[in-house]
Order: sequence, then C-alpha cells, then structure tokens
Amino acid sequence: GAVVSQHPSRVICKSGTSVKIECRSLDFQATTMFWYRQFPKQSLMLMATSNEGSKATYEQGVEKDKFLINHASLTLSTLTVTSAHPEDSSFYICSARDKNYGYTFGSGTRLTVV
Amino acid sequence: TQLLEQSPQFLSIQEGENLTVYCNSSSVFSSLQWYRQEPGEGPVLLVTVVTGGEVKKLKRLTFQFGDARKDSSLHITAAQPGDTGLYLCAGARQAGTALIFGKGTTLSVSS
Repeated sequence: GAVVSQHPSRVICKSGTSVKIECRSLDFQATTMFWYRQFPKQSLMLMATSNEGSKATYEQGVEKDKFLINHASLTLSTLTVTSAHPEDSSFYICSARDKNYGYTFGSGTRLTVV
Repeated sequence: TQLLEQSPQFLSIQEGENLTVYCNSSSVFSSLQWYRQEPGEGPVLLVTVVTGGEVKKLKRLTFQFGDARKDSSLHITAAQPGDTGLYLCAGARQAGTALIFGKGTTLSVSS
C-alpha cells in the first residue's frame, strides 16, 4: 500500500523560532497533500491543501503567513510554522491521496513550543 | 458548523457489550471513511464506503452507508478492551478533495 512518511515525529522549539515539518509520499506521486492540526482530545481539523507547483489553499481562519506550505515536488510537501508560540503547540498530520490506495496519513508531528 | 456530526463523543462500556457510533451530515458525500487513531499516531483506515446502502463487515465491526450517502454508522459487537481508542468518520465532498473529519468518538472498553 501507499506510505506517507512524516518527520520529525516530535519537536520542541523556543517561542519565536520556526519549525519545518516534512511529509513525503514514499512509493507514489502525490500532486495534492493535505495538512491537519489536532489538539488534545479533539478531531483533525483541515488547515490547508497543498498543490504541487502552486500555492496552497488555506482553510478559513488559518494564517497563511504563519503556516507556510511548500510543495516543490510530487513526493514532498513541507509545513513551516513561523514565529511559533505556545498556542501553536499541537499534533500536525499530513495526508496524501493516491488514486489506487486512497487517502494515506503520516504518523504525525507533536510540536511543543516553550 | 460541523459538516459531519459524530455521536456519541465519549463512550465507556464493559467488555462484551455492543455499541454503535453515528456519523451524520446534511450534505452528500462521494465516500465516507472510518478511521481509528491511537494517541500520538496518525489515523489508520478501517473502511471506506462508497455506495449508498452499502454494508461492510470487518470482523466484529459493521459499517453502513446511508441510502442517500449522507450518513454512516459503525457497530461493534462484543466489544473488547483492545477496541479502546478514538474512532473518526471522515468524508470527501468530491473525489480527490480533502477529507473532512467528524469530532470523533473516544471509546473505552473495560474488562
């Protein structure tokens, strides 16, 4: 089946710094990837849709200047949390859709901003 | 406004009991999916339902998709402690678009 690799799995950063999260489709090409955020004991909330070679589409209420998404190749999308603050601490999950295997999720990144 | 209404949000039962989780919407979905998620991990797909009225079984789990493709249910028979976890329904309005998730059902099965 399709595999999506997400790194890092955990990251702790200081307030005001930036953090990059990578999402790779290992055995298929993903023209579209999706980024979600999940707070404790809550469900996944869609943040943005990442399109290879074009600008990401952000959901209402998500700051595009704070959550920078780059989808430079068919197998890699990155999410950069800029000037992170404690309220950005969350579980970030990426997903990619393959026409044969449907939606596949990464294992998530636990971001803690101190 | 929550596109997918999932209920109940929390469920605590004894081993051997049966349970049903519901996922409802006023919108039509091209497909609905059910996931299970463990703490600190990404969601893992249990099943995808595509056809209105479809019923799928996965061991003790039975999934139904409403005739109008607006709702779905997950029924677990004889629940076991190993069934404990977060169950999520998700749907795509159109094929290839992002999955939208319900609020999830946290299931706890005690022995």
